[in-house]
Amino acid sequence: NAGVTQTPKFQVLKTGQSMTLQCAQDMNHNSMYWYRQDPGMGLRLIYYSASEGTTDKGEVPNGYNVSRLNKREFSLRLESAAPSQTSVYFCASSPGQGNYEQYFGPGTRLTVT
Amino acid sequence: AQTVTQSQPEMSVQEAETVTLSCTYDTSESDYYLFWYKQPPSRQMILVIRQEAYKQQNATENRFSVNFQKAAKSFSLKISDSQLGDAAMYFCAYSEGYNFNKFYFGSGTKLNVKP
Repeated sequence: NAGVTQTPKFQVLKTGQSMTLQCAQDMNHNSMYWYRQDPGMGLRLIYYSASEGTTDKGEVPNGYNVSRLNKREFSLRLESAAPSQTSVYFCASSPGQGNYEQYFGPGTRLTVT
Repeated sequence: AQTVTQSQPEMSVQEAETVTLSCTYDTSESDYYLFWYKQPPSRQMILVIRQEAYKQQNATENRFSVNFQKAAKSFSLKISDSQLGDAAMYFCAYSEGYNFNKFYFGSGTKLNVKP
């Protein structure tokens, strides 16, 4: 089992460019999440998907969109990147239905210049 | 929004000694989960231990144990017999009772282990 995978591992964007971060899990988990981690801070929830077909805002959703493509995949899109979105992005998944332990991917380091 | 506070940005411990990392949280809920995650230099987030608020017994996982004080809203992590591999950032996290999908993380404590 690969667990939670994320692509790409690193990305540099110019201000105003768009991109999509991809996340997939092979654990048949119901819930998936996107976080960002800024220097000196803990992870902050951007969006989550409690089940296939649903998405909800987390703590810091502005500037992002998400798609739960199917049970395995949950993507995060930056439509017009800004320097404030420079961060490390983590995807996570959890079984749900009473078990909310989260399993994390390796992260994507995004720099917006 | 809920807040999770880790007041120790950095701590050091001698190999084989015991260290305690502090965490406090703010909530009006009675049902919630608390977690400690470890983040080594590889950046991978690894679950160390979890505690359900309705359980009075403190959780234990091998060398890792917690001191959960619900009334004080305190959730500290004790690492016994510290090993070099324990060196990492440690994050305390809280998950809401009415929506367990919403996690809130503290700012982290960097643990150094001296040989």
